[in-house]
Amino acid sequence: GAVVSQHPSWVICKSGTSVKIECRSLDFQATTMFWYRQFPKQSLMLMATSNEGSKATYEQGVEKDKFLINHASLTLSTLTVTSAHPEDSSFYICSANLQGGTEAFFGQGTRLTVV
Amino acid sequence: KQEVTQIPAALSVPEGENLVLNCSFTDSAIYNLQWFRQDPGKGLTSLLLIQSSQREQTSGRLNASLDKSSGRSTLYIAASQPGDSATYLCAVSGGSYIPTFGRGTSLIVHP
Repeated sequence: GAVVSQHPSWVICKSGTSVKIECRSLDFQATTMFWYRQFPKQSLMLMATSNEGSKATYEQGVEKDKFLINHASLTLSTLTVTSAHPEDSSFYICSANLQGGTEAFFGQGTRLTVV
Repeated sequence: KQEVTQIPAALSVPEGENLVLNCSFTDSAIYNLQWFRQDPGKGLTSLLLIQSSQREQTSGRLNASLDKSSGRSTLYIAASQPGDSATYLCAVSGGSYIPTFGRGTSLIVHP
């Protein structure tokens, strides 16, 4: 199967700072990647769809100015949590599909803790 | 809008038992259904993928079935082991190919 790598796997930051999370497709090109957020004991909720070379599409209720998504190449999408607050502490995970494929491949996830 | 429900939410069993985890979804127009395992604080491990045209998939002690018309899937775990303890997530993908997840079943297998 295809490999999606996410970095970092965990990060602790101070309130008010920004944090960048990277999602890479290692052995395939992904024109579209997806970002999810998971709060404790909750399901994974789709935050946004990252589109290579164009603006991301955000789900209802997700602030696009707070969660900046950049998909500058066919193998890399980044999620930047700007001016992070403790309520942004969560597990963030990305996924991508092979071109024309229906199976989703997930990164390892990033545990963000804002103190 | 697709909604995915997993029952039970939590399960605690002694080692050796055979288990059935249930997943139901509201919109039967799906392309596939995936079962994942998630260990505490970790990412997702894909266990089984069932395409909409398939009825079941097997991998080792795991067997997943799909009844698309009734919107149901089950994950059967044979001869459970303590190492099977984790949260099991069900996700369905429709026309957008974006998986919609259930809340998961938290499984504890005690020795």
